[in-house]
Amino acid sequence: DSGVTQTPKHLITATGQRVTLRCSPRSGDLSVYWYQQSLDQGLQFLIQYYNGEERAKGNILERFSAQQFPDLHSELNLSSLELGDSALYFCASSFRTSGDTQYFGPGTRLTVL
Amino acid sequence: SQQGEEDPQALSIQEGENATMNCSYKTSINNLQWYRQNSGRGLVHLILIRSNEREKHSGRLRVTLDTSKKSSSLLITASRAADTASYFCATDARQYAGGTSYGKLTFGQGTILTVHP
Repeated sequence: DSGVTQTPKHLITATGQRVTLRCSPRSGDLSVYWYQQSLDQGLQFLIQYYNGEERAKGNILERFSAQQFPDLHSELNLSSLELGDSALYFCASSFRTSGDTQYFGPGTRLTVL
Repeated sequence: SQQGEEDPQALSIQEGENATMNCSYKTSINNLQWYRQNSGRGLVHLILIRSNEREKHSGRLRVTLDTSKKSSSLLITASRAADTASYFCATDARQYAGGTSYGKLTFGQGTILTVHP
């Protein structure tokens, strides 16, 4: 158990819908990262937050957004869902902004029908 | 884009044998991390090796890093059936934007290891 929690574990929804994925980092960690794992793209970095502020963006679509709240939990919002958004979404956390081990949560498996 | 390339893509061995996986990357790094993933589940952190380190051990794991060749290897000794999983290397290339650092990991495509009992 990495100490990072993610909910829900599974999500099945239809095209065009909007979903919210939630992540709680390890106690004491200030950085939260979101990654997407799909069969064709592999594991890709989406976005990083540090202590409530966006720190870096990767291959994140404009239909996707995220935020980190004062209690440091984070949410990833996915809207206007398409079939190709079906993937495993991971949250990871670390203490600093870079250079540390990133501990991953169990992931949310999103299926868009 | 994937910075790391892992070799081999798949490895099949018998219990008790050693397994070696290699990872190559393209840019300068701050550190390199190895992860294990069991069949579509979460990523389990195995080991982190910093750019100024050449070798690191953790139990049955041995990781080497050659920054001049931009490559790393993961050796699992005396493998067990429970080691069956996908193994990923991930590079942390410290980057800066607007004067502040950030640390995204760039993953390789992974090596699928199968250990037969």
